[in-house]
Amino acid sequence: GAGVSQSPSNKVTEKGKDVELRCDPISGHTALYWYRQRLGQGLEFLIYFQGNSAPDKSGLPSDRFSAERTGESVSTLTIQRTQQEDSAVYLCASSLEVGYNEKLFFGSGTQLSVL
Amino acid sequence: RKEVEQDPGPFNVPEGATVAFNCTYSNSASQSFFWYRQDCRKEPKLLMSVYSSGNEDGRFTAQLNRASQYISLLIRDSKLSDSATYLCVVNTDYGGSQGNLIFGKGTKLSVKP
Repeated sequence: GAGVSQSPSNKVTEKGKDVELRCDPISGHTALYWYRQRLGQGLEFLIYFQGNSAPDKSGLPSDRFSAERTGESVSTLTIQRTQQEDSAVYLCASSLEVGYNEKLFFGSGTQLSVL
Repeated sequence: RKEVEQDPGPFNVPEGATVAFNCTYSNSASQSFFWYRQDCRKEPKLLMSVYSSGNEDGRFTAQLNRASQYISLLIRDSKLSDSATYLCVVNTDYGGSQGNLIFGKGTKLSVKP
């Protein structure tokens, strides 16, 4: 597609359930990022991929969070045993490649609400 | 000291006003700089890159001061549609745990009629 696509756009779940968020980056973009943004707050970095590899996973908030990327394309962010504090917008972004002039293109996000 | 710092605002200005935001960064080896714009409940979008010589795009002017380690964004003749949060982004090019890009928390601008 023309831009970064995220699905679902909205997800309402019950506390304790697992959720899977999907990101389809712009075709040919090798770098992919996940951010979390709580209401009225700044972007919180979660993880990034260069190709299918995530150089550092220390940005993930807890071991309930995991992410993977396959085929240097689609990425999924999985949150297990969701908690109310996980409620936020989860934004995905991609760029042509990691480098000094890197420009990010963001998807419209997944609004996650944990009841 | 935080890697990238911005005044959160809000900056409340009347239409037609000129407004400027600064952003300071801590890593003197930072390579490139950007301003992103984020409208309420929308995703961030690239507004402009910031070049060493300064650059202008219509009513928007971006400046870089490497000696003092800050970048600025000047908006002239403010429009209601300029109301948004402006995010400062610094590229460190050292591939740290966040990749290269460090985002500021953003400065909120509200332009009033």
